[in-house]
Amino acid sequence: GDSVTQMEGPVTLSEEAFLTINCTYTATGYPSLFWYVQYPGEGLQLLLKATKADDKGSNKGFEATYRKETTSFHLEKGSVQVSDSAVYFCALRNNNAGNMLTFGGGTRLMVKP
Amino acid sequence: DAGVIQSPRHEVTEMGQEVTLRCKPISGHNSLFWYRQTMMRGLELLIYFNNNVPIDDSGMPEDRFSAKMPNASFSTLKIQPSEPRDSAVYFCASSLQENSPLHFGNGTRLTVT
Repeated sequence: GDSVTQMEGPVTLSEEAFLTINCTYTATGYPSLFWYVQYPGEGLQLLLKATKADDKGSNKGFEATYRKETTSFHLEKGSVQVSDSAVYFCALRNNNAGNMLTFGGGTRLMVKP
Repeated sequence: DAGVIQSPRHEVTEMGQEVTLRCKPISGHNSLFWYRQTMMRGLELLIYFNNNVPIDDSGMPEDRFSAKMPNASFSTLKIQPSEPRDSAVYFCASSLQENSPLHFGNGTRLTVT
């Protein structure tokens, strides 16, 4: 079945550091890929998405590129802020598998001032 | 936009008691999802509805769990009888259509003692 694998956290960075959170997936066909963010005490929010190979999703300074050749969708940000501290979830939706989202395990990011 | 509304935010109950979690999806959204989040298992899809009809309940862990969606603006997740291992944060999410991005509520933190 479909699966999503994320790097384990927590990831601890200083403010203004460069962020990469790795995400790889296993799926048949051509899934859509997503990053969701969960701030403390809240539900998940869609951060960005990409629906086909080589698409780049971007939002709030975060970017991720859909790489079919490496089955990856790594999340990057050039300069993190304390307010970016949250848990980040990579997810895929496979149109061949009922349109349900498959989530990775989440990666906690802690940004220190 | 009021977002997805869940109640209660916190629920503490004793083992054996019945627990009912409630969700009001975003108006006009046709799909509704119930997820459970724990440290050990991450985010798990329990059940999802499309146009008020349960489509996939394969994630419901046991017969103690049941979910209903009597109309387009309300859903419940019931656990009877509850057990300590049911302690988790339960999220409700809705989407405009089956393959649209999910909008999550802020969750209900359930503690069963």
